[in-house]
Amino acid sequence: DVKVTQSSRYLVKRTGEKVFLECVQDMDHENMFWYRQDPGLGLRLIYFSYDVKMKEKGDIPEGYSVSREKKERFSLILESASTNQTSMYLCASSLTTGELFFGEGSRLTVL
Amino acid sequence: RKEVEQDPGPFNVPEGATVAFNCTYSNSASQSFFWYRQDCRKEPKLLMSVYSSGNEDGRFTAQLNRASQYISLLIRDSKLSDSATYLCVVTSYSSASKIIFGSGTRLSIRP
Repeated sequence: DVKVTQSSRYLVKRTGEKVFLECVQDMDHENMFWYRQDPGLGLRLIYFSYDVKMKEKGDIPEGYSVSREKKERFSLILESASTNQTSMYLCASSLTTGELFFGEGSRLTVL
Repeated sequence: RKEVEQDPGPFNVPEGATVAFNCTYSNSASQSFFWYRQDCRKEPKLLMSVYSSGNEDGRFTAQLNRASQYISLLIRDSKLSDSATYLCVVTSYSSASKIIFGSGTRLSIRP
């Protein structure tokens, strides 16, 4: 079974703090994604990566950056957290387009 | 207009009933279609792919209507454990970023 592991299930941070969310997959998938999910808005793509050191912006990249130094690891960085970044963050990986495997999610609260 | 639209529900049906919901998409060049299931406070998981000829997996049947640009999910003999949010996903082969999630349809099965 594919396993996608997100480093933190719950985080509470203060406005202005730098936040790192880490994601590791164990199936040698090329594609990795970061989404955020908010009530009524569904899943929105922040960034995705189709190879090591490659990244592309999704629909809502503002305020976020990503890093993919190794194939299995995809990190999401909030340089200066703000209250409107309070959300559920979901990492996913895939071999083919559309069949995504998600991590359990990281629920971030920014105070 | 959203690229992928779903009736948010909730659909509240008795155990044993048949329930169906649709998902419409706006991009006629869309290539692949999927249904995901998301339990409360959990990550989305792939339920089934949707093929042009339609496909069935036990009590679940998925169909695609390209002419009218919608996909459907039918659940027969519904179980309490079917209570979840069902997300439709539409993708384009042009880019891994073109994986569009609907906002989900919430289904609640009552005893």
